[in-house]
Amino acid sequence: IQMTQSPSSVSASVGEKVIITCRASLDVSTWLGWYQQKPGKAPKLLIYSASSLQSGVPSRFSGSGSGTHFTLAISSLQPEDSAVYYCQQANGFPLTFGGGTKVEVK
Amino acid sequence: EVQLLESGGGLVQPGGSLRLSCAASGFNFRTYAMSWVRQAPGKGLEWVSGIIGSGGSTNLADSVKGRFTISRDNSKNTLFLQMNSLRVEDTAVYYCAKGGIGVADNFDYWGQGTLVTVSS
Repeated sequence: IQMTQSPSSVSASVGEKVIITCRASLDVSTWLGWYQQKPGKAPKLLIYSASSLQSGVPSRFSGSGSGTHFTLAISSLQPEDSAVYYCQQANGFPLTFGGGTKVEVK
Repeated sequence: EVQLLESGGGLVQPGGSLRLSCAASGFNFRTYAMSWVRQAPGKGLEWVSGIIGSGGSTNLADSVKGRFTISRDNSKNTLFLQMNSLRVEDTAVYYCAKGGIGVADNFDYWGQGTLVTVSS
């Protein structure tokens, strides 16, 4: 299953809303997670099951979607949100990640 | 506190072998599926291999089939990745990642990664 993210990069100001899209080549139901990765660090799970917020993750992050179309929204961008974001399907093997979206905070 | 600590990375020549280890603590290791995920320099994430809690079922990415083997020792809370016939394109940071109770899942904890460099 191929995962396609858009945009590949986005730049926004503090307080703005950012939306990242992930499309699956096949139906993955809600078996979809979102990760945040900062330079030199391991990825961090933000959202699982398409819309469930991982414990400890700020509520400005939210996920939605099912089937083949998913979105990650950051409602009010903060300086610490500067990172690369990846989606990952967990519907079947091989598990696959999207290509990543780099978020820059102006 | 969940901790995953990888080791075993290093520099190896093409065609060589390495064995990665991941020591887990802070959770009931034998209950959870585990995976290896890698990231080539400046590139995105690539799932490499996964194994269920009991160790009875494994899966591999096509890019490593026939060369890599995943295993686990639940008595020692340790995950392994045996890498043979290494290629230059296997150069990456290899992360150990904790899955869920099911066969396939998202990864809620990751190790810090271990760098594997394949070069002559």
